[in-house]
Amino acid sequence: EDQVTQSPEALRLQEGESSSLNCSYTVSGLRGLFWYRQDPGKGPEFLFTLYSAGEEKEKERLKATLTKKESFLHITAPKPEDSATYLCAVQAAENTDKLIFGTGTRLQVFP
Amino acid sequence: EAGVAQSPRYKIIEKRQSVAFWCNPISGHATLYWYQQILGQGPKLLIQFQNNGVVDDSQLPKDRFSAERLKGVDSTLKIQPAKLEDSAVYLCASSLDWYEQYFGPGTRLTVT
Repeated sequence: EDQVTQSPEALRLQEGESSSLNCSYTVSGLRGLFWYRQDPGKGPEFLFTLYSAGEEKEKERLKATLTKKESFLHITAPKPEDSATYLCAVQAAENTDKLIFGTGTRLQVFP
Repeated sequence: EAGVAQSPRYKIIEKRQSVAFWCNPISGHATLYWYQQILGQGPKLLIQFQNNGVVDDSQLPKDRFSAERLKGVDSTLKIQPAKLEDSAVYLCASSLDWYEQYFGPGTRLTVT
């Protein structure tokens, strides 16, 4: 069964304190791995799509990497506005575009 | 470019009542999705439309949930009758290509 596990469930950081969020997955043929940001009361906001092991993508203070079993979202020198829940999802190499989400990591960055 | 629009934003109903949600996707996006997000969990796909046709509804509780997409644009999701466990945020998303889905703000449903 296709599955996504994210850790930690919650993370509290001081402003400027870099850290990483983990997303481990099992899927029958990975088509793509997705990172989304979700603020309270809002829908998920697309961040990155990674397609193959070894791939990396960056956006401002965020950098996503992918291996054959997991993905990391590295946050460098975070700011309070980076506080949100970060969701990881995978798409299997099947006929539909279904995203299978993890439960997310709730990040809080304190000034 | 306007994003995915959903209404209402909030709805409170009693169990066994019916409710409907509306979604207007990004212009030109042929694919539309409905997800259910229970508090503390990630979204779960309920149904996927490609234009007017259903591509995947394997996780839709068909005894109480129904969805339609008329003319390949707007879509409605209905629950009848609602149960307590249906309390969740219902998210609509749309995409032009498989690798990027854009989500709306969601409708928060509370069933009492």
